Amino acid sequence: AQSVTQLGSHVSVSEGALVLLRCNYSSSVPPYLFWYVQYPNQGLQLLLKYTSAATLVKGINGFEAEFKKSETSFHLTKPSAHMSDAAEYFCAVSKGAQKLVFGQGTRLTINP
Amino acid sequence: DAGVIQSPRHEVTEMGQEVTLRCKPISGHDYLFWYRQTMMRGLELLIYFNNNVPIDDSGMPEDRFSAKMPNASFSTLKIQPSEPRDSAVYFCASSRAQVYSYTFGSGTRLTVV
Repeated sequence: AQSVTQLGSHVSVSEGALVLLRCNYSSSVPPYLFWYVQYPNQGLQLLLKYTSAATLVKGINGFEAEFKKSETSFHLTKPSAHMSDAAEYFCAVSKGAQKLVFGQGTRLTINP
Repeated sequence: DAGVIQSPRHEVTEMGQEVTLRCKPISGHDYLFWYRQTMMRGLELLIYFNNNVPIDDSGMPEDRFSAKMPNASFSTLKIQPSEPRDSAVYFCASSRAQVYSYTFGSGTRLTVV
């Protein structure tokens, strides 16, 4: 069964610093991978998705993620953190059956 | 496009009462999902539909939970009888086949006292 593991339930960075949120997946077949963001009291919003095209995926709000098959990873990065990036981020995997399996989430805090 | 619409946004009910959560997916989306979010268990898929037909309900916790999709524009998740451990945020999401862009509603925060 496919699954994702997010390393670090809480990540704190300074405003302007690099954001790196880690996600490793487990799948016996090439997966589809996603990052979602959840702001307080809101639903999840798609940041970006990997569906077997380019391994470097660019998303909204300056975020990007790179699919690395050799490392079974799909880490999310942003070169310069902004206060508005404070939220919870979820990595998710799908094996093409439309069913998403989510990681436990990483809460990102931005320090002024 | 109004997005995925869920109602109510908040529901407080007493243990033993019936609770019905409602969802209107995005027009043209042929998949609909119900998720539950709690601090302890994170986001769990409860059930999903394709073209109004339930495809996988293996995540439904127990027989107290039931979900229906009578038409392409409406789905309900019912809990009868409700218990305090059902307290969570319930999300509905929809998507189109082969697009893999799931759109989530704002959720229903359920509190069972």
